[in-house]
Amino acid sequence: DAGITQSPRHKVTETGTPVTLRCHQTENHRYMYWYRQDPGHGLRLIHYSYGVKDTDKGEVSDGYSVSRSKTEDFLLTLESATSSQTSVYFCAIKGAGAGGYTFGSGTRLTVV
Amino acid sequence: QQQVKQSPQSLIVQKGGISIINCAYENTAFDYFPWYQQFPGKGPALLIAIRPDVSEKKEGRFTISFNKSAKQFSLHIMDSQPGDSATYFCAASRSNTGNQFYFGTGTSLTVIP
Repeated sequence: DAGITQSPRHKVTETGTPVTLRCHQTENHRYMYWYRQDPGHGLRLIHYSYGVKDTDKGEVSDGYSVSRSKTEDFLLTLESATSSQTSVYFCAIKGAGAGGYTFGSGTRLTVV
Repeated sequence: QQQVKQSPQSLIVQKGGISIINCAYENTAFDYFPWYQQFPGKGPALLIAIRPDVSEKKEGRFTISFNKSAKQFSLHIMDSQPGDSATYFCAASRSNTGNQFYFGTGTSLTVIP
C-alpha cells in the first residue's frame, strides 16, 4: 500500500504478554497514526505522531503506548495484552497540508 | 461521543441501482470530508473527498453531496456494480493539521447481480 507496511499481518498472543506492532513508511510523511477497527465502532484512534519523538493520545489510548524514534517507523506496544485488545490494527500516514490518510494493510491481533 | 454519525449500517442494492450513504457531523470546525472504501482483508482506501466550499463533487460514478447548513454529507454510487460491494466509511477532520480524522461506524454495501 503506497509506501506503508505493517508487521506482523497476523498475531496470536496470550493474555498478559507484551506485544509490539510495527508500522514502516517510505513516504517521509510527518504524521503517523494507529487506529483499531472493531465491528460497530468503525475506526478509533489509539495514538498518533506528528514528528520524531512527538506523540499524543487518541480516544482509546488506555493500555497502549507508542514510540517514534525515526521518521519512517511508528511502533505500537500493548504492555500487557488483554482479550479486549483483540482487534484489527491499522497504521495510517499523512503528509503536511490538506489531504487524506493512506492506510496500511492492517494487523489482525488475537489475544487468547 | 460519536463525532460523525453514519447510516445505514448495511445496504443491499441491485446492480445498476443507486447506493446512498449518509453522514452527519457536529463540529463546525471540520473542513475536510473524505470517504473511504474497504474490501475484506484490506486497509481503507481514499475514494473521494470534499471541502465545505462546494456542495457537490463527482468522480466517475461516485458523488459526494454536502449540506453545510445541515452539517450533513452523503455518498452516492450511481449504476452500482457487484465490484462496489465493500464497507464505506465517512470521515471528517480539520485540514492543514495533523489532527485526527473522525470516522463514521461504516456501511456494509452489497450489490446483488
